[in-house]
Amino acid sequence: EAGVTQFPSHSVIEKGQTVTLRCDPISGHDNLYWYRRVMGKEIKFLLHFVKESKQDESGMPNNRFLAERTGGTYSTLKVQPAELEDSGVYFCASSQGTRSGNTIYFGEGSWLTVV
Amino acid sequence: GNSVTQMEGPVTLSEEAFLTINCTYTATGYPSLFWYVQYPGEGLQLLLKATKADDKGSNKGFEATYRKETTSFHLEKGSVQVSDSAVYFCALLNSGGYQKVTFGIGTKLQVIP
Repeated sequence: EAGVTQFPSHSVIEKGQTVTLRCDPISGHDNLYWYRRVMGKEIKFLLHFVKESKQDESGMPNNRFLAERTGGTYSTLKVQPAELEDSGVYFCASSQGTRSGNTIYFGEGSWLTVV
Repeated sequence: GNSVTQMEGPVTLSEEAFLTINCTYTATGYPSLFWYVQYPGEGLQLLLKATKADDKGSNKGFEATYRKETTSFHLEKGSVQVSDSAVYFCALLNSGGYQKVTFGIGTKLQVIP
């Protein structure tokens, strides 16, 4: 069974440009999450989808970030325009249910560098 | 709110040394506790978990016991290997409601031959 896959694995863009990160969750997982780790800091929650609906987007840093999950399958996270402080690793994760005992599976991350 | 505190490191050990990475947490209710590991150039992998007090999670020689009285979930391994070099994240998931994992800052472990 394929795990959570993310694309691109690495991206280097200039300040002011746009980047779109993609996440394909594990098949059948209704829950999809985005997290971010800025260098040297904690991994921080960004938002949570249940199917195509945003359940919780309290962690989104500002309106330069836009997440979508059309059709409840894959998700995209767009940063427009990118700023230097957006550099970091963006992790996507998915889970089957919402009970506390369910395991959340993470992808390998998309490493974003804004120069 | 929820929080996880762990030693920042880096931690440098010789091969076959004993490892302890401390983790304490603050949460309401009865959270599930996790250790995730990120090997160089790879993504986050679940290492072990415990879902209730006094549970012991174990995997690949690593162990951690859910201690509610001390709100701790320390990671231990009796004999580390070079291949254990990675960043280790302690995390919690609160009971009930929708899942939002709270992570610690991550502890970088370097094992030297």
